[in-house]
Amino acid sequence: EVRLVESGGDLVRPGGSLRLSCAASGFTFSNHWISWVRQAPGKGLEWVALINQDGSEQYYVDSVKGRFTISRDNVRNSVSLQMNSLGGDDTAVYFCARDGGRAAEDCWGQGTLVTVSS
Amino acid sequence: QMTQSPSSLSASVGDRVTITCRSSQTVRRYLNWYQQKPGKVPKLLIHGVSNLQSGVPSRFSGSGSGTDFTLTISSLQPEDFAIYYCQQSFITRTFGQGTKVEIK
Repeated sequence: EVRLVESGGDLVRPGGSLRLSCAASGFTFSNHWISWVRQAPGKGLEWVALINQDGSEQYYVDSVKGRFTISRDNVRNSVSLQMNSLGGDDTAVYFCARDGGRAAEDCWGQGTLVTVSS
Repeated sequence: QMTQSPSSLSASVGDRVTITCRSSQTVRRYLNWYQQKPGKVPKLLIHGVSNLQSGVPSRFSGSGSGTDFTLTISSLQPEDFAIYYCQQSFITRTFGQGTKVEIK
């Protein structure tokens, strides 16, 4: 079974940092691009970051450039999102999602909640 | 930028429903559609404009090219009441703002 499981979400103060992880199983992890997508409470989906199969390419939405870093470990079958200088606008459920090879996210984790508040 | 219309709609079971997605620049055929039910994870419905994801009912269809795209549900079923998002994957990723399909 293809599975993605996020972890690391927490309550963090403005200006703080947090590292999210996404553990993959049930497929050949190193063959797939992986995205982080977030959803603020009651709002729509926002793509955040994308990493290619070997980790040599990373892409970010403008609002997180310079603050967030996506990385992957193809030995541990995991992707991470390091988030620094967090603000209230970063409060959201963060999903990791797999590109199934057709430039579309065909498998999603259940999400992990990040709350930025003092 | 991806713009969906309408933002919400009310429809009855059995209705034909059409949702439109417009991109600010061409995305060629890199246009996908997702369905999200309350409290659930997004589900891929259609990739590459018109390709039905495995397991998705045939009442869902997609069309369009370039900058203008459409998701059609030919006969709305009770389980189809949800929020639908378009997504371009030509240049990284961008989602539309979503279209909420509600029961009339």
